[in-house]
Amino acid sequence: QVQLQESGPGLVKPSETLSLTCTVSGGSISHYYWSWIRQFPGKGLEWIGYIYYSGSTNYNPSLESRVTMSVDTSKNQFSLKLSSVTAADTAVYYCARDPAVAPIYYFDYWGQGTVVTVSS
Amino acid sequence: DIQMTQSPSSLSASVGDRVTITCRASQSISSNLNWYQQKPGKAPKVLIYVASSLQSGVPSRFSGSGSGTDFTLTISSLQPEDFATYYCQQSDSTPRTFGQGTKVEVK
Repeated sequence: QVQLQESGPGLVKPSETLSLTCTVSGGSISHYYWSWIRQFPGKGLEWIGYIYYSGSTNYNPSLESRVTMSVDTSKNQFSLKLSSVTAADTAVYYCARDPAVAPIYYFDYWGQGTVVTVSS
Repeated sequence: DIQMTQSPSSLSASVGDRVTITCRASQSISSNLNWYQQKPGKAPKVLIYVASSLQSGVPSRFSGSGSGTDFTLTISSLQPEDFATYYCQQSDSTPRTFGQGTKVEVK
């Protein structure tokens, strides 16, 4: 059974960089797309972007200038960095898998989510 | 970006009721529409993908239909464990976008 687990600081100061890692267990990180999705306190969901196991990325244009994703296939992990955070970035951050068997795309496995609060 | 609009935002229903939730896309997305269920404190869970395909392990009382811009999620006979929030999500193009959610509450 594939499992995803987010890790990283739960509190980040304004203007600093949010850094999260997602560890994949029970399956390989290869041959899938791996996304970061966040959910705001009002419950809306926003897709941040995805990274393919090869390292290619696709970011949400609304966040593209602040987002960097990376993948480490040797550790079965992928990561998110979001720079210059503000209180508006406070959310639950999820990592999720997209099996991406074209043209079928959906999120079939999700991490449990990690709460990130931006506050001084 | 493709905007996804769900209706209603919330509904009250009883166990055994037939429940229908609709999702409209701001432009045609073919059948590239997925449905998720979310319970408090948990991650969303996929129910239906590409509009009408039932995810493995999901009860058959859940069904999806539609194409183009208009889609429907139906729960044929609501069960106690189905009280939750439901989201649609388009996978036709990036950025992927979600509906605002429909909360199914106890009547």
